[in-house]
Amino acid sequence: AQSVTQPDIHITVSEGASLELRCNYSYGATPYLFWYVQSPGQGLQLLLKYFSGDTLVQGIKGFEAEFKRSQSSFNLRKPSVHWSDAAEYFCAVGPWSGGSNYKLTFGKGTLLTVNP
Amino acid sequence: EAGVTQFPSHSVIEKGQTVTLRCDPISGHDNLYWYRRVMGKEIKFLLHFVKESKQDESGMPNNRFLAERTGGTYSTLKVQPAELEDSGVYFCASSQSTTAFFGQGTRLTVV
Repeated sequence: AQSVTQPDIHITVSEGASLELRCNYSYGATPYLFWYVQSPGQGLQLLLKYFSGDTLVQGIKGFEAEFKRSQSSFNLRKPSVHWSDAAEYFCAVGPWSGGSNYKLTFGKGTLLTVNP
Repeated sequence: EAGVTQFPSHSVIEKGQTVTLRCDPISGHDNLYWYRRVMGKEIKFLLHFVKESKQDESGMPNNRFLAERTGGTYSTLKVQPAELEDSGVYFCASSQSTTAFFGQGTRLTVV
């Protein structure tokens, strides 16, 4: 069965510091990977996704993620965190079959706190 | 363009009562999904509509949950009767191609 592990429940960083959020997945086929963010009072917003091709994926808000098949990882990074990045971040894997199949398996989320 | 809208944003009901959650997808999106996050747990898939048809309802917890999407537009998710373990945040999402858009969720509390 597919699963996603986000080892860090809560991370605190200072504004301007770099950030890396970890995500490991277990999936029997070619994984399609996603990172979502949920800010307080908001819905889930897609930051980036990986389907194929270049393993370094650029997303919105200055985020990027790198797919490493050998490590079954899809870690999210940002070189310099802004106070507005404080939110909960979710990694997800899906069985993308083309079209619009969004039956996703999510990790438990990582809550990011940004100190001034 | 309006996003995915969910009503209500919060609902507190007593055990045994009925609650109906509503989701208005982005206009023109054929695919509509329901997910749920129970406190401290992962966001879990409940079901998938393509237009008015249920494509996959493998994530529905039990027969106390009934989802409908009349006319292929908005969708409702009814819980009848509600139990304490049904508390959580219910998310709806819609998509037409390679990106799914999520609503802000409905926080359901069963007391």
